[in-house]
Amino acid sequence: DAGVTQSPTHLIKTRGQQVTLRCSPKSGHDTVSWYQQALGQGPQFIFQYYEEEERQRGNFPDRFSGHQFPNYSSELNVNALLLGDSALYLCASSSRTEITYEQYFGPGTRLTVT
Amino acid sequence: AQSVTQPDIHITVSEGASLELRCNYSYGATPYLFWYVQSPGQGLQLLLKYFSGDTLVQGIKGFEAEFKRSQSSFNLRKPSVHWSDAAEYFCAVAPRAGSYQLTFGKGTKLSVIP
Repeated sequence: DAGVTQSPTHLIKTRGQQVTLRCSPKSGHDTVSWYQQALGQGPQFIFQYYEEEERQRGNFPDRFSGHQFPNYSSELNVNALLLGDSALYLCASSSRTEITYEQYFGPGTRLTVT
Repeated sequence: AQSVTQPDIHITVSEGASLELRCNYSYGATPYLFWYVQSPGQGLQLLLKYFSGDTLVQGIKGFEAEFKRSQSSFNLRKPSVHWSDAAEYFCAVAPRAGSYQLTFGKGTKLSVIP
């Protein structure tokens, strides 16, 4: 059983460009959350998707948007990249039918903005 | 707004020694508390969680944590550290049991010397 997978592993972009990161949840999971982890910091919640809609959102600008597909996979899009967007982006999946409320994290995508 | 403080940025212990990592939270209602571990190049792995009930929680890999409401703390402990425990440890809080919007501390890096 594959866990949470993310692609790509690493990415280098230039300021002002746009980027799309992808996440496939753990088998059986229907909810996906995205987190940004800057160097030396803890992860910060960006948003959560369930039933193809954004359900919760953290304190991130509209440049950060997402999408969830019918197969529960998800994309994180960031427009007009800034140097400060350089970070490890983590995807976490969970199942709303499980009462453990445990989230399983992927290995992340390392984004570098130059 | 909820917040999590991990006072120790870096801790070094000898293999076989006991370990305690500190976590303090700020939240008005009953907190839902978690400890995660992150190894280099890996995603976050859940060690244990506290929702209610017994304030001493057992987790995986021999870890335990104690919830102390009076001190707003949720410290992680292990009686005997193994070299493989070297990693970064994050404490996190959720506003309610059904929320996946975790607020993380900045983490404590654990080094283990032989």
